[in-house]
Amino acid sequence: AQKVTQAQTEISVVEKEDVTLDCVYETRDTTYYLFWYKQPPSGELVFLIRRNSFDEQNEISGRYSWNFQKSTSSFNFTITASQVVDSAVYFCALSEWSSGGSNYKLTFGKGTLLTVNP
Amino acid sequence: NAGVTQTPKFRVLKTGQSMTLLCAQDMNHEYMYWYRQDPGMGLRLIHYSVGEGTTAKGEVPDGYNVSRLKKQNFLLGLESAAPSQTSVYFCASSNLGDFPHEQYFGPGTRLTVT
Repeated sequence: AQKVTQAQTEISVVEKEDVTLDCVYETRDTTYYLFWYKQPPSGELVFLIRRNSFDEQNEISGRYSWNFQKSTSSFNFTITASQVVDSAVYFCALSEWSSGGSNYKLTFGKGTLLTVNP
Repeated sequence: NAGVTQTPKFRVLKTGQSMTLLCAQDMNHEYMYWYRQDPGMGLRLIHYSVGEGTTAKGEVPDGYNVSRLKKQNFLLGLESAAPSQTSVYFCASSNLGDFPHEQYFGPGTRLTVT
């Protein structure tokens, strides 16, 4: 069964600090996708990144970067020079094909609440 | 192109009342999903549909029913609401095309059962 673990329930940093959010996943499939979503205080889910299991290249987008390591089943997310607007709950998610259900099953971690203080 | 919309945005119910949450998508997606989000629990799948006229149970289906009479709509029903169903409900849809794994989420419905 697939599983996503975000061990950090809450993180608090001061503005301009770098912060890394950890995500560890479990799956038996060789083909799967990993996602990060941001949920700001307004409540909507904002898609941040998608990465497939065959692409282990790290990605950088502005102050955001993602480190995908299949050897450790991790997909960590780093925010550089954090800002108050980065305060949100961040979810890591794993998607794989569920033959029994004939659907793409998306499993979420429990989320990490990031608070960036001025 | 509105994406995924949900109606209503907020609702307060009394125990035992019934209601239906409506999800609509205008992207011609085959798959649709209903999740609930509770504090510290992430999102959990309630029911899903792989096409018009089909529905299936997810991780936490008890107390809910769904229907997909039209491809663009996915309804979530609570026949007899209970306080344990107080939650934020998210609908999502996904495509069979290039990125079938990617689900597009609606803005959520905050439901309180007193």
